[in-house]
Amino acid sequence: KQEVTQIPAALSVPEGENLVLNCSFTDSAIYNLQWFRQDPGKGLTSLLLIQSSQREQTSGRLNASLDKSSGRSTLYIAASQPGDSATYLCAVEGNTPLVFGKGTRLSVIA
Amino acid sequence: SQTIHQWPATLVQPVGSPLSLECTVEGTSNPNLYWYRQAAGRGLQLLFYSVGIGQISSEVPQNLSASRPQDRQFILSSKKLLLSDSGFYLCAWSMELTSGNTIYFGEGSWLTVV
Repeated sequence: KQEVTQIPAALSVPEGENLVLNCSFTDSAIYNLQWFRQDPGKGLTSLLLIQSSQREQTSGRLNASLDKSSGRSTLYIAASQPGDSATYLCAVEGNTPLVFGKGTRLSVIA
Repeated sequence: SQTIHQWPATLVQPVGSPLSLECTVEGTSNPNLYWYRQAAGRGLQLLFYSVGIGQISSEVPQNLSASRPQDRQFILSSKKLLLSDSGFYLCAWSMELTSGNTIYFGEGSWLTVV
């Protein structure tokens, strides 16, 4: 059974810092990995999707990497802003629909 | 463009009462549909998914059921709610199960069972 773990559970950084969120998964037989953002009390918004054959994806200040063999992914956020404050969730898709981690709650302090 | 709607946004229900959450998708045909629940400290848990009308897969045995009476309609139900059913319920859709398509979520429904 696939399990997804995200570290740290919560993170607080000053505005402008670069930061890294970590995600690990137990079963490397995945089709893809996705990173989502969730604002309090809201649904999820997809940020980046990395296919299993890819190593990384970039969107603006966000860069996600995937090391499928070791079961790890990172989400790098450059020059963080207060508007980046949210919970970030990692999810993997294999032979079953997406399995999510519990998320990292990010606070960017102005 | 495609949109997803779910309602109600918030509800408070007594233990033992029935539940019906509804989700509809517009702007696409034959989507895969999902119900997730997000409970405090437990992350996002897949409850049901459907690849077509009348086709429902259950991921977790529980007090809930799902139905898909129309192509773009997905309903989450319970005959008798338990306190443990409280949580944030999210409907989602995607194209083609396990093919790397992005999944899109609704805004969620907060359920408090009292």
